[in-house]
Amino acid sequence: EILMTQSPATLSVSPGERATLSCWASQGVSSDLAWYQQKPGQPPRLLIYDASTRATGIPPRFSGNGSGREFTLTISSLQSEDFAVYYCQQYHNWPPFTFGPGTKVDI
Amino acid sequence: QVQLVQSGTEVKKPGSSVKVSCKASGDIFTSYTFSWVRQTSGQGLEWMGRIIPISDVANYAPDFQDRVTITADKDTTTAYMELNRLRFDDTAVYYCARGPVGANNWFDSWGQGTLVTVSS
Repeated sequence: EILMTQSPATLSVSPGERATLSCWASQGVSSDLAWYQQKPGQPPRLLIYDASTRATGIPPRFSGNGSGREFTLTISSLQSEDFAVYYCQQYHNWPPFTFGPGTKVDI
Repeated sequence: QVQLVQSGTEVKKPGSSVKVSCKASGDIFTSYTFSWVRQTSGQGLEWMGRIIPISDVANYAPDFQDRVTITADKDTTTAYMELNRLRFDDTAVYYCARGPVGANNWFDSWGQGTLVTVSS
């Protein structure tokens, strides 16, 4: 099973600032990685798949990068609605598909 | 616009079973896979398994292989997840999530979640 780790656990930023979130895989996953955003009481929402492709309707301030074992999600200028928990997920080697523990982005 | 609507909250006793449904509408049911992902406060997001409705093939996570059954009804465009021999640590929110057919599975639509509480 591929283990996913994320850092930091919590990222405190101000609106308008840039946020960079990191995700690592215990072994290489090529570009088979997705990012999700989750707000309290809501299901996760797909942001990025194939490491860098934005999902339908996702604004361009969200960008993904990386391949192999190391990945980043960048939010170029944080808006108030971006404060949430962000998860990465690998789909390269399965079963199972595995998720990281999440990074909470707060004010 | 695809919509996944899940069945309601369940309270179950240890050792019993629970079956959660996920009604899909707004797109071609057999063009996708449907996975079940649970979320607990301690374990985060855990993928349990998926069904490919067009073939009725199901794949399961090793941790759930012996306790979970995932099925799909093409006539009613509904996916189901049944978890047996419930334990206290199965208390979680269970989500259905849609993914593309094929090996690469990200999840582009999610149900609203179903809270399952296991309590004596």
